[in-house]
Amino acid sequence: QKEVEQDPGPLSVPEGAIVSLNCTYSNSAFQYFMWYRQYSRKGPELLMYTYSSGNKEDGRFTAQVDKSSKYISLFIRDSQPSDSATYLCAMSWGTSYGKLTFGQGTILTVHP
Amino acid sequence: NAGVTQTPKFRILKIGQSMTLQCAQDMNHNYMYWYRQDPGMGLKLIYYSVGAGITDKGEVPNGYNVSRSTTEDFPLRLELAAPSQTSVYFCASSISGIVSYNEQFFGPGTRLTVL
Repeated sequence: QKEVEQDPGPLSVPEGAIVSLNCTYSNSAFQYFMWYRQYSRKGPELLMYTYSSGNKEDGRFTAQVDKSSKYISLFIRDSQPSDSATYLCAMSWGTSYGKLTFGQGTILTVHP
Repeated sequence: NAGVTQTPKFRILKIGQSMTLQCAQDMNHNYMYWYRQDPGMGLKLIYYSVGAGITDKGEVPNGYNVSRSTTEDFPLRLELAAPSQTSVYFCASSISGIVSYNEQFFGPGTRLTVL
């Protein structure tokens, strides 16, 4: 079993749709949860970061963590064509020297 | 600031050849990382460094070597290239890896093909 599982998609939605991206994990030691966005042929860039369980909102993006279910989500409201990218969840634990464990990434296309 | 830079952007190697992937950052970050990204597989950590002179293995270190003689540079060496090393390689850096918040800044990647 992979430590972090993410549905690779691809996911195609119309502009304006609500998008839900999800990851499950098996290592209960993970404490920090991140979402990175990666445009085609570019390096990943941090989109959102959360610690422990709960929700965090930033504009059209909401990150949700449910540690009891070992499940994290990223919601994108009013999706735009510019949101078309690969979304990678990533996790780390407290003394890991910043080492991240990534999911496989979900390819999202938002069409006009 | 240029951020994290990587050279070359593309490279084709023959089986058994060696090469060094260059990575540099100008943000005075202590922590640096090398990842590889295969299609549909996410990013896997190859090596990381917590400061000049200190390196350690990640999840997939076999076939690679690193050194860190300065804060700015973190080259990745491939010895005896194999087709399994065909991948996109990303270098990343962060100001620290110990504090809870650890944004890693990624370079643009090097696309390597081994034939």
